[in-house]
Amino acid sequence: NAGVMQNPRHLVRRRGQEARLRCSPMKGHSHVYWYRQLPEEGLKFMVYLQKENIIDESGMPKERFSAEFPKEGPSILRIQQVVRGDSAAYFCASSPSGTSGYTFGSGTRLTVV
Amino acid sequence: ILNVEQSPQSLHVQEGDSTNFTCSFPSSNFYALHWYRWETAKSPEALFVMTLNGDEKKKGRISATLNTKEGYSYLYIKGSQPEDSATYLCASPSGNTPLVFGKGTRLSVIA
Repeated sequence: NAGVMQNPRHLVRRRGQEARLRCSPMKGHSHVYWYRQLPEEGLKFMVYLQKENIIDESGMPKERFSAEFPKEGPSILRIQQVVRGDSAAYFCASSPSGTSGYTFGSGTRLTVV
Repeated sequence: ILNVEQSPQSLHVQEGDSTNFTCSFPSSNFYALHWYRWETAKSPEALFVMTLNGDEKKKGRISATLNTKEGYSYLYIKGSQPEDSATYLCASPSGNTPLVFGKGTRLSVIA
């Protein structure tokens, strides 16, 4: 069981480019959560998805950010026209149900230059 | 918005000392309380999920208690070792919503 796989581990983008972060949940987990960790801050919830559906996106900025979890393939967090303030560590977690504990991936560290 | 608070923010203890820290959460509409251990450069690792008032869970030298009526949980580490150095996070959902995390307690165990 490979656990939650996130890639890439590190991503450098210039201002204005697009960033795509991928997350493959644990086998058997259909619930995916994205969190962002800013420097000196804790984990902040962004979006919660269940296969092909966005359940809760209350923590995700309305502009430039989008997320999907297609029927086949990994969940994708997409950030368009990145700005320096988007630099952070982005963590994905998965669970088998909406009430279970989470298993986290190792995160993607995005740096915008 | 659910607010989860942890204290202290950081803690330094000598090897062999026992220590504890606190997680506070709203007692109304309580659903569950999760504890995670997060080592530097790794991903958060689940320790405990607690749901019932008075719950007490243990894993090796680490244990946790839960008081849902007054809205707090304690995490205890007995005989701290350098490998216990990590950030300890607690989190709670509001009903069926995703987990809201506290900022964590950063523990450093000095050999």
